[in-house]
Amino acid sequence: KNEVEQSPQNLTAQEGEFITINCSYSVGISALHWLQQHPGGGIVSLFMLSSGKKKHGRLIATINIQEKHSSLHITASHPRDSAVYICAVPNQAGTALIFGKGTTLSVSS
Amino acid sequence: GAGVSQSPSNKVTEKGKDVELRCDPISGHTALYWYRQSLGQGLEFLIYFQGNSAPDKSGLPSDRFSAERTGGSVSTLTIQRTQQEDSAVYLCASSEQGGADSPLHFGNGTRLTVT
Repeated sequence: KNEVEQSPQNLTAQEGEFITINCSYSVGISALHWLQQHPGGGIVSLFMLSSGKKKHGRLIATINIQEKHSSLHITASHPRDSAVYICAVPNQAGTALIFGKGTTLSVSS
Repeated sequence: GAGVSQSPSNKVTEKGKDVELRCDPISGHTALYWYRQSLGQGLEFLIYFQGNSAPDKSGLPSDRFSAERTGGSVSTLTIQRTQQEDSAVYLCASSEQGGADSPLHFGNGTRLTVT
Protein backbone atom coordinates (compact mmCIF):
# COMPACT_ATOMS: atom_id res chain seq x y z
CA LYS A 1 0.00 0.00 0.00
CA ASN A 2 1.35 3.42 -0.92
CA GLU A 3 1.60 5.86 1.95
CA VAL A 4 1.58 9.60 1.27
CA GLU A 5 2.99 12.10 3.73
CA GLN A 6 2.76 15.84 3.31
CA SER A 7 4.53 18.56 5.21
CA PRO A 8 3.93 20.96 6.68
CA GLN A 9 0.34 20.34 7.72
CA ASN A 10 -0.29 24.07 8.08
CA LEU A 11 1.60 26.98 6.63
CA THR A 12 1.17 30.71 7.07
CA ALA A 13 2.98 33.26 4.97
CA GLN A 14 3.12 36.93 4.15
CA GLU A 15 2.24 38.08 0.67
CA GLY A 16 5.24 37.82 -1.61
CA GLU A 17 6.96 34.98 0.21
CA PHE A 18 8.26 31.86 -1.53
CA ILE A 19 6.31 28.79 -0.45
CA THR A 20 7.39 25.14 -0.45
CA ILE A 21 5.13 22.19 0.29
CA ASN A 22 6.59 18.70 0.44
CA CYS A 23 5.22 15.27 -0.38
CA SER A 24 6.82 11.87 0.22
CA TYR A 25 5.48 8.49 -0.79
CA SER A 26 6.53 4.96 -0.05
CA VAL A 27 6.06 2.95 -3.25
CA GLY A 28 7.35 3.71 -6.74
CA ILE A 29 4.81 5.40 -8.97
CA SER A 30 4.15 6.33 -12.57
CA ALA A 31 2.86 9.84 -11.87
CA LEU A 32 2.17 12.15 -8.95
CA HIS A 33 -0.64 14.68 -8.76
CA TRP A 34 -0.88 18.03 -7.02
CA LEU A 35 -4.34 19.43 -6.42
CA GLN A 36 -5.75 22.58 -4.88
CA GLN A 37 -8.88 22.76 -2.75
CA HIS A 38 -10.34 26.17 -2.01
CA PRO A 39 -12.64 26.99 0.92
CA GLY A 40 -16.06 25.85 -0.24
CA GLY A 41 -14.63 22.56 -1.41
CA GLY A 42 -13.90 22.74 -5.14
CA ILE A 43 -10.83 20.70 -6.10
CA VAL A 44 -8.70 21.59 -9.06
CA SER A 45 -5.94 19.53 -10.56
CA LEU A 46 -2.72 21.60 -10.70
CA PHE A 47 -0.09 19.22 -11.97
CA MET A 48 0.48 15.65 -12.95
CA LEU A 49 4.15 14.78 -13.26
CA SER A 50 6.30 11.72 -13.58
CA SER A 51 9.77 13.28 -13.72
CA GLY A 52 11.65 16.54 -13.49
CA LYS A 53 9.79 19.79 -13.16
CA LYS A 54 6.64 21.49 -14.39
CA LYS A 55 5.75 25.17 -14.21
CA HIS A 56 2.44 26.95 -14.52
CA GLY A 57 2.46 30.64 -13.77
CA ARG A 58 3.78 31.10 -10.23
CA LEU A 59 3.47 27.41 -9.43
CA ILE A 60 6.33 24.97 -9.85
CA ALA A 61 6.21 21.25 -9.14
CA THR A 62 9.27 19.03 -8.95
CA ILE A 63 9.66 15.33 -8.43
CA ASN A 64 12.59 13.08 -7.55
CA ILE A 65 11.60 9.54 -8.44
CA GLN A 66 14.63 7.93 -6.78
CA GLU A 67 13.96 9.70 -3.48
CA LYS A 68 10.16 9.28 -3.77
CA HIS A 69 9.67 12.95 -3.05
CA SER A 70 7.92 15.87 -4.68
CA SER A 71 7.71 19.56 -3.88
CA LEU A 72 5.22 22.23 -4.83
CA HIS A 73 6.58 25.77 -4.87
CA ILE A 74 4.67 29.03 -5.08
CA THR A 75 6.65 32.11 -6.01
CA ALA A 76 5.52 35.60 -4.96
CA SER A 77 2.63 34.19 -2.91
CA HIS A 78 -0.67 36.06 -2.84
CA PRO A 79 -3.71 35.87 -0.54
CA ARG A 80 -5.68 34.22 -3.34
CA ASP A 81 -3.23 31.28 -3.09
CA SER A 82 -4.76 30.48 0.31
CA ALA A 83 -6.12 26.96 -0.04
CA VAL A 84 -5.43 23.34 0.84
CA TYR A 85 -2.79 21.75 -1.38
CA ILE A 86 -3.04 18.01 -1.79
CA CYS A 87 -0.56 15.50 -3.11
CA ALA A 88 -1.82 12.21 -4.56
CA VAL A 89 -0.23 9.04 -5.90
CA PRO A 90 -1.65 5.92 -7.53
CA ASN A 91 -2.83 2.95 -5.52
CA GLN A 92 -1.18 -0.43 -6.10
CA ALA A 93 -3.62 -1.36 -8.84
CA GLY A 94 -2.95 1.94 -10.59
CA THR A 95 -6.68 2.55 -10.84
CA ALA A 96 -7.25 5.32 -8.33
CA LEU A 97 -5.37 7.92 -6.36
CA ILE A 98 -4.36 7.88 -2.72
CA PHE A 99 -4.40 11.36 -1.27
CA GLY A 100 -2.25 13.01 1.34
CA LYS A 101 -4.02 14.86 4.14
CA GLY A 102 -3.20 18.18 2.57
CA THR A 103 -1.31 21.30 3.53
CA THR A 104 -3.42 24.27 4.54
CA LEU A 105 -1.81 27.47 3.26
CA SER A 106 -2.85 30.87 4.49
CA VAL A 107 -1.28 33.93 2.85
CA SER A 108 -1.92 37.30 4.43
CA SER A 109 -1.44 40.70 2.86
CA GLY B 1 -18.21 22.72 -21.67
CA ALA B 2 -19.86 21.59 -18.46
CA GLY B 3 -17.76 20.18 -15.68
CA VAL B 4 -18.62 17.38 -13.30
CA SER B 5 -22.01 18.04 -11.76
CA GLN B 6 -23.14 16.67 -8.41
CA SER B 7 -26.50 16.85 -6.72
CA PRO B 8 -27.71 17.70 -4.24
CA SER B 9 -25.05 20.11 -3.03
CA ASN B 10 -26.24 19.63 0.54
CA LYS B 11 -28.25 16.86 2.14
CA VAL B 12 -29.41 16.60 5.73
CA THR B 13 -30.95 13.29 6.70
CA GLU B 14 -31.98 11.47 9.83
CA LYS B 15 -30.02 8.51 11.09
CA GLY B 16 -31.37 5.30 9.61
CA LYS B 17 -32.69 6.81 6.38
CA ASP B 18 -31.36 5.98 2.92
CA VAL B 19 -29.80 8.65 0.71
CA GLU B 20 -28.89 8.84 -2.97
CA LEU B 21 -26.18 11.10 -4.31
CA ARG B 22 -25.87 11.80 -8.01
CA CYS B 23 -22.90 12.51 -10.22
CA ASP B 24 -22.98 13.60 -13.85
CA PRO B 25 -19.44 13.32 -15.27
CA ILE B 26 -17.92 15.25 -18.13
CA SER B 27 -19.28 13.95 -21.40
CA GLY B 28 -16.98 11.38 -22.95
CA HIS B 29 -15.05 10.64 -19.79
CA THR B 30 -14.83 6.89 -19.36
CA ALA B 31 -13.67 6.84 -15.75
CA LEU B 32 -15.70 7.93 -12.74
CA TYR B 33 -14.63 7.96 -9.11
CA TRP B 34 -16.36 8.53 -5.81
CA TYR B 35 -14.33 9.87 -2.89
CA ARG B 36 -15.31 10.88 0.63
CA GLN B 37 -13.81 13.68 2.70
CA SER B 38 -14.60 13.71 6.39
CA LEU B 39 -13.96 16.80 8.49
CA GLY B 40 -10.25 17.36 8.89
CA GLN B 41 -9.41 14.21 6.94
CA GLY B 42 -7.93 13.54 3.54
CA LEU B 43 -9.83 12.22 0.57
CA GLU B 44 -10.83 8.58 0.91
CA PHE B 45 -11.35 6.46 -2.18
CA LEU B 46 -14.72 4.71 -2.35
CA ILE B 47 -15.34 3.25 -5.80
CA TYR B 48 -14.08 3.48 -9.40
CA PHE B 49 -15.92 2.83 -12.66
CA GLN B 50 -14.03 2.38 -15.92
CA GLY B 51 -16.05 1.92 -19.08
CA ASN B 52 -17.93 -1.36 -19.08
CA SER B 53 -15.53 -3.09 -16.69
CA ALA B 54 -16.60 -4.33 -13.28
CA PRO B 55 -16.18 -1.46 -10.81
CA ASP B 56 -13.40 -1.39 -8.22
CA LYS B 57 -15.42 -1.35 -4.99
CA SER B 58 -12.45 -1.88 -2.70
CA GLY B 59 -12.90 1.45 -0.91
CA LEU B 60 -16.53 1.10 0.10
CA PRO B 61 -16.54 1.16 3.92
CA SER B 62 -19.48 -1.17 4.48
CA ASP B 63 -22.23 -3.04 2.67
CA ARG B 64 -24.53 -0.09 3.36
CA PHE B 65 -22.73 1.69 0.55
CA SER B 66 -23.35 0.90 -3.10
CA ALA B 67 -23.00 2.69 -6.41
CA GLU B 68 -24.22 2.32 -9.95
CA ARG B 69 -23.21 3.86 -13.21
CA THR B 70 -25.89 3.69 -15.86
CA GLY B 71 -25.06 3.77 -19.55
CA GLY B 72 -21.48 4.64 -18.82
CA SER B 73 -22.49 8.13 -17.75
CA VAL B 74 -24.44 9.22 -14.68
CA SER B 75 -23.59 7.56 -11.37
CA THR B 76 -25.56 7.24 -8.16
CA LEU B 77 -24.02 6.54 -4.77
CA THR B 78 -26.51 5.06 -2.31
CA ILE B 79 -26.04 4.90 1.42
CA GLN B 80 -28.56 2.75 3.26
CA ARG B 81 -29.48 3.11 6.92
CA THR B 82 -27.27 6.17 7.31
CA GLN B 83 -25.17 6.58 10.43
CA GLN B 84 -23.72 9.74 11.94
CA GLU B 85 -20.21 8.68 10.92
CA ASP B 86 -21.37 8.84 7.29
CA SER B 87 -21.45 12.63 7.57
CA ALA B 88 -18.88 13.92 5.10
CA VAL B 89 -18.46 15.60 1.75
CA TYR B 90 -18.89 13.07 -1.04
CA LEU B 91 -16.89 14.01 -4.12
CA CYS B 92 -17.21 12.64 -7.60
CA ALA B 93 -14.47 12.91 -10.20
CA SER B 94 -14.11 11.85 -13.79
CA SER B 95 -11.22 11.43 -16.16
CA GLU B 96 -10.97 10.92 -19.86
CA GLN B 97 -9.07 7.66 -19.83
CA GLY B 98 -9.09 6.39 -16.28
CA GLY B 99 -6.17 5.06 -14.33
CA ALA B 100 -4.10 7.07 -11.94
CA ASP B 101 -2.11 8.71 -14.74
CA SER B 102 -5.05 10.62 -16.16
CA PRO B 103 -5.96 14.09 -14.81
CA LEU B 104 -9.03 14.16 -12.60
CA HIS B 105 -11.88 16.64 -12.81
CA PHE B 106 -13.83 17.00 -9.60
CA GLY B 107 -17.39 18.03 -8.91
CA ASN B 108 -18.16 20.43 -6.08
CA GLY B 109 -19.33 17.60 -3.85
CA THR B 110 -22.39 16.76 -1.82
CA ARG B 111 -22.18 17.69 1.85
CA LEU B 112 -24.06 14.99 3.75
CA THR B 113 -25.10 15.57 7.34
CA VAL B 114 -26.67 12.72 9.28
CA THR B 115 -28.50 13.89 12.39
